[in-house]
Amino acid sequence: GAGVSQTPSNKVTEKGKYVELRCDPISGHTALYWYRQSLGQGPEFLIYFQGTGAADDSGLPNDRFFAVRPEGSVSTLKIQRTERGDSAVYLCASSLCVPCYNEQFFGPGTRLTVL
Amino acid sequence: AQTVTQSQPEMSVQEAETVTLSCTYDTSESDYYLFWYKQPPSRQMILVIRQEAYKQQNATENRFSVNFQKAAKSFSLKISDSQLGDAAMYFCAYHPVPGGSQGNLIFGKGTKLSVKP
Repeated sequence: GAGVSQTPSNKVTEKGKYVELRCDPISGHTALYWYRQSLGQGPEFLIYFQGTGAADDSGLPNDRFFAVRPEGSVSTLKIQRTERGDSAVYLCASSLCVPCYNEQFFGPGTRLTVL
Repeated sequence: AQTVTQSQPEMSVQEAETVTLSCTYDTSESDYYLFWYKQPPSRQMILVIRQEAYKQQNATENRFSVNFQKAAKSFSLKISDSQLGDAAMYFCAYHPVPGGSQGNLIFGKGTKLSVKP
């Protein structure tokens, strides 16, 4: 079956612009997570959804970052007024449930470069 | 707050040999899960092995095994009979106790493993 997909694979934008990153989870997975991975670091948690609602958004760095999952499947991470420090790989993952200890399945990520 | 520490930024192993990657973590919880994920250059994180904290028996998956020392808060990964395809970044991760709304993984900084032919 299809795994987690993310589009675009790479995104280059200019400082101050708005970007949207999309995640398609595995069909039937109710939990969806966003992580940010800076160069040379491990992924850092941003937000996760249980169904359509954001169950925990404590990892979002500031109010320029926002994420939605309106129908409980596809999610979009939105970044306003991008800054050079936002450059990173943004990873999405999904799992069957939360809270639970099921494996999180990761997508290939979107590499965001802010010039 | 829970933290995960991987003290080896890079490791190297000869093909067919055995290598051990280190991981320590800090938590006040008694129940949790620990994971090792592999990230090749394709960026796709792949689960290697999982350990439940309440189980004393160390998890094994084919050539991969862990040494889980709960009192020492240590969780090392042993790769036996290393293969060229094992070359990747390896991340140790901690999963908090489920309760309330917690569900995210906490990752270490990773260890880059090279395999020499």
